[in-house]
Amino acid sequence: QKEVEQNSGPLSVPEGAIASLNCTYSDRGSQSFFWYRQYSGKSPELIMFIYSNGDKEDGRFTAQLNKASQYVSLLIRDSQPSDSATYLCAVTGLNTGGFKTIFGAGTRLFVKA
Amino acid sequence: NAGVTQTPKFQVLKTGQSMTLQCAQDMNHNSMYWYRQDPGMGLRLIYYSASEGTTDKGEVPNGYNVSRLNKREFSLRLESAAPSQTSVYFCASSEGPKETQYFGPGTRLLVL
Repeated sequence: QKEVEQNSGPLSVPEGAIASLNCTYSDRGSQSFFWYRQYSGKSPELIMFIYSNGDKEDGRFTAQLNKASQYVSLLIRDSQPSDSATYLCAVTGLNTGGFKTIFGAGTRLFVKA
Repeated sequence: NAGVTQTPKFQVLKTGQSMTLQCAQDMNHNSMYWYRQDPGMGLRLIYYSASEGTTDKGEVPNGYNVSRLNKREFSLRLESAAPSQTSVYFCASSEGPKETQYFGPGTRLLVL
């Protein structure tokens, strides 16, 4: 069983709509949660991080964390064609030997102009 | 401030050849990582270094070795390349093991 699960997509939304990306994780002790964006042929770059239950907003992006249900989501409001990319969910938890970060396989988002 | 740099950007090897991928960061980060990314597989951790002087195996360490040369530099060595090691390799660094990771531009490796 994968430790961090994401729908591979592609998720297609029209320009101006809200894109909703979801991620579930298996380690209940996970402490840090990240969303990275990766354009084709480029390296991942951080969009947002969240540590506590609830919502965290940054501009058009909102991260939502529910530790009881073990899921984290990313909402992108007013989606733009430039948001078309793969979004990677990453979860950090404590393992024997120290903290370990696991990445999901990513969800491809396509925003249609 | 260059962030995380990697060399080379692209490399073609024949089966059995060896090579070292270089990574350096100028953000004074303690932790550094090597990942490989294959289509549909996401990022898989090869090795990491939580702090200078320590290295630990990740999810897919077989066929690789690493050296944390100093706080800035973390190299990945393929002793005898195999076609299964064809991939894109990313180096990353973070202030600590729970913090945001910053990625280098990647090295595209093709093993024939």
